[in-house]
Amino acid sequence: GNSVTQMEGPVTLSEEAFLTINCTYTATGYPSLFWYVQYPGEGLQLLLKATKADDKGSNKGFEATYRKETTSFHLEKGSVQVSDSAVYFCALGGTGRRALTFGSGTRLQVQP
Amino acid sequence: ETGVTQTPRHLVMGMTNKKSLKCEQHLGHNAMYWYKQSAKKPLELMFVYSLEERVENNSVPSRFSPECPNSSHLFLHLHTLQPEDSALYLCASSLSTGERQPQHFGDGTRLSIL
Repeated sequence: GNSVTQMEGPVTLSEEAFLTINCTYTATGYPSLFWYVQYPGEGLQLLLKATKADDKGSNKGFEATYRKETTSFHLEKGSVQVSDSAVYFCALGGTGRRALTFGSGTRLQVQP
Repeated sequence: ETGVTQTPRHLVMGMTNKKSLKCEQHLGHNAMYWYKQSAKKPLELMFVYSLEERVENNSVPSRFSPECPNSSHLFLHLHTLQPEDSALYLCASSLSTGERQPQHFGDGTRLSIL
């Protein structure tokens, strides 16, 4: 079945540091891949997505590239801000009528 | 403003109470979902509705009973819950259940069982 593995958190960085959150997946076929972000006290918000191999999703300075050869979709940002502190979820699109499969989430803490 | 509204935001109930969670979306979506988010556990999909038909039920105990009267509204009826049911319950919607469709989430209902 489908599964998503994310790096354990929390990830603690200083402001303006480079961010990488690793995500690898197991799936049949060629699913869509998503990154969601959850700010404190809120639900999940779609951050970016990629629908096929080599696609790069980007939004708000965050980027992730769909790597079929390594079955990965790592999230990166060149310079994080305190306001980026949140929990980040990698997710895999299901096939047929299935819903998304989520990773366990990675908490990011950015210190000023 | 997420387009998906959940009420109440917080709910405290005893194990013998009956309550309902409500979700409403104004995005014109045809699919709606209930998720359970517990501390230190992955997001758990509970139910999926597509065009008001339940299409997925992930072995959820019968003390949770979903209802989807139309494509804009989704309810989760709660009865005789257990302490381990305390969690954040998230509702989501998407245009369809097609695998390329992103889901839009509400802010959740924080449920505490005494």
